[in-house]
Amino acid sequence: GAGVSQSPSNKVTEKGKDVELRCDPISGHTALYWYRQSLGQGLEFLIYFQGNSAPDKSGLPSDRFSAERTGGSVSTLTIQRTQQEDSAVYLCASSLGQGASAFFGQGTRLTVV
Amino acid sequence: AQSVTQLDSQVPVFEEAPVELRCNYSSSVSVYLFWYVQYPNQGLQLLLKYLSGSTLVKGINGFEAEFNKSQTSFHLRKPSVHISDTAEYFCAVSGNTGGFKTIFGAGTRLFVKA
Repeated sequence: GAGVSQSPSNKVTEKGKDVELRCDPISGHTALYWYRQSLGQGLEFLIYFQGNSAPDKSGLPSDRFSAERTGGSVSTLTIQRTQQEDSAVYLCASSLGQGASAFFGQGTRLTVV
Repeated sequence: AQSVTQLDSQVPVFEEAPVELRCNYSSSVSVYLFWYVQYPNQGLQLLLKYLSGSTLVKGINGFEAEFNKSQTSFHLRKPSVHISDTAEYFCAVSGNTGGFKTIFGAGTRLFVKA
């Protein structure tokens, strides 16, 4: 596609519910990243995919967070049993790989009430 | 492990004044360095990047950055800022650990005053 697409753009959910966030990277981009941006905070690295595999999951905050990528393209980030501290903007980015700049989606604003 | 430190969380500056946003990184391997900008209510976009070659890198909107390997720095500069440069600026590093993942600094909010 023309750019990185994320859906939904906004999500309000009740505490304890599961949510699924989707990212469609730019076609042909092998690297895909998930970051979290909380109010007034920088970008927190969550997970990185190269193709369908995730060489680095070290940023996932807890075992309630998981992510997968299929077909070397679409990725979903799942948060189980959401908590209020999960409220943030979740950003997805993709790149061609080594040394390439990352292109970001507009993000999903998650609000847990 | 890689890390990025942006030394200033906020930088207020008057219009037409010069500005420098500081960035230091740590890495045990060769790195690629980036600056991204996030304008209010917009997504992140690439400002400039250093991969190899000349240590002075020029980017969009009149910004430039200099890679200093001995000081492990990649400071961003602009000789004369405009009101429209008000934004959040993120320094990032990508190196061959964990498969070239990109790590971002905490960001520096540049606020340009009239």
